[in-house]
Amino acid sequence: QTVVTQEPSVTVSPGGTVTLTCASNTGAVTNDHHPNWFQQKSGQPPRALIYSTSNTLSWTPARFSGSLIGGTAALTLSPVQPDDEADYYCLLFYGGVWVFGGGTKLTV
Amino acid sequence: DVYLAESGGGLVQPGGSLRLSCAASGFTFTRYWMTWVRRAPGKGLEWLANINRDGSDDFYVDSVKGRFTIARDNAKNLVFLQMNSLRVEDTATYYCARSGSPWSEGAYWGQGTLVSVSS
Repeated sequence: QTVVTQEPSVTVSPGGTVTLTCASNTGAVTNDHHPNWFQQKSGQPPRALIYSTSNTLSWTPARFSGSLIGGTAALTLSPVQPDDEADYYCLLFYGGVWVFGGGTKLTV
Repeated sequence: DVYLAESGGGLVQPGGSLRLSCAASGFTFTRYWMTWVRRAPGKGLEWLANINRDGSDDFYVDSVKGRFTIARDNAKNLVFLQMNSLRVEDTATYYCARSGSPWSEGAYWGQGTLVSVSS
């Protein structure tokens, strides 16, 4: 069974920098997994932030960026704003199906 | 503007069936893959299934394979999720989503519809 793992919770101060990671139990995350990142706030649908590792959507704030770091997918926020407090999910591609990570609750 | 509206959620008994619909507007429906995702209470997002542009190919997560079927009606800009043999653990808010650029899985989302499976 494919399992995608994220930090359950992370706390950061306003104005700081935080990197959330996304790991796969099948091995290193690569560009072939086409990592997507989403933000979800309470009572709202998810909002896409990043696709295919590092590509942003037209509405993605410039303080959000995606990359691969040490065999994981990474989402970096800098500088963090109070409004960034939310749940963050990565989504990885496995040859036809996609799998979400368990999500990271970001507290600012 | 892209608009997705899910409907069809409700209360159903274990073992029952439900068909969710997602009405799409504001874009050329036939150009995009469509996806269903859910979020159970107190849990994270779960990708369920997607379907290609002409409905000829689809993919499912193992937990719903054989019970759920995704389909689309390109003439009416609708995507469906037929859910059979429902279980208590299928209780969740179900979202439909539209792909974006290649490998952008879920660029746009509906507001979701709530499915409760309980006796």
